[in-house]
Amino acid sequence: AQSVTQLDSQVPVFEEAPVELRCNYSSSVSVYLFWYVQYPNQGLQLLLKYLSGSTLVKGINGFEAEFNKSQTSFHLRKPSVHISDTAEYFCAVSENPSGTYKYIFGTGTRLKVLA
Amino acid sequence: EAGVTQFPSHSVIEKGQTVTLRCDPISGHDNLYWYRRVMGKEIKFLLHFVKESKQDESGMPNNRFLAERTGGTYSTLKVQPAELEDSGVYFCASSQDKQGRGNTIYFGEGSWLTVV
Repeated sequence: AQSVTQLDSQVPVFEEAPVELRCNYSSSVSVYLFWYVQYPNQGLQLLLKYLSGSTLVKGINGFEAEFNKSQTSFHLRKPSVHISDTAEYFCAVSENPSGTYKYIFGTGTRLKVLA
Repeated sequence: EAGVTQFPSHSVIEKGQTVTLRCDPISGHDNLYWYRRVMGKEIKFLLHFVKESKQDESGMPNNRFLAERTGGTYSTLKVQPAELEDSGVYFCASSQDKQGRGNTIYFGEGSWLTVV
């Protein structure tokens, strides 16, 4: 069965510092991988996705993630964070091809950017 | 283009009462999904509609939950009777059923339900 693990529930980081939010998944088949962000009082917004091809995926707001099949990981990174990046970040996996588009989410990581 | 809209944004009801959540998907999206996040836990899949048909309802917790999508447009999720453990955020999402979209699902802002 699929599962997604986000080990860090909260990550505090100073402004302009780099950050990495970790995501590991388990699946017996190939997968699609996603990162979503939820800003305070807003809905879920897609940051980036890995479907196939290049393992380094670039998303919005300067974020990127690298798919590592051997490590079954899809960690999210940003070289320099801003106060406005304070939000909750969710990693999700969808089996390929399942046809139902069902996502399995992790428990989320709260990123707190400090001045 | 309007995104996925959900109503109400917040709802506080007493245990035993009924609540109906509504979702309007992005126009033209045949696929509509309901997800739920209970406090501090992961976002969990509830069910998936393709047009008016339930494609997958494996995530529905019990028969107190009823989802409908009459006419294949908006959807409602009714909880009757509500229990304390039903409190959480209910997300609706939609997607086009076309290849090349890479399974991207667009989420609404969620309906926050508190059962007291």
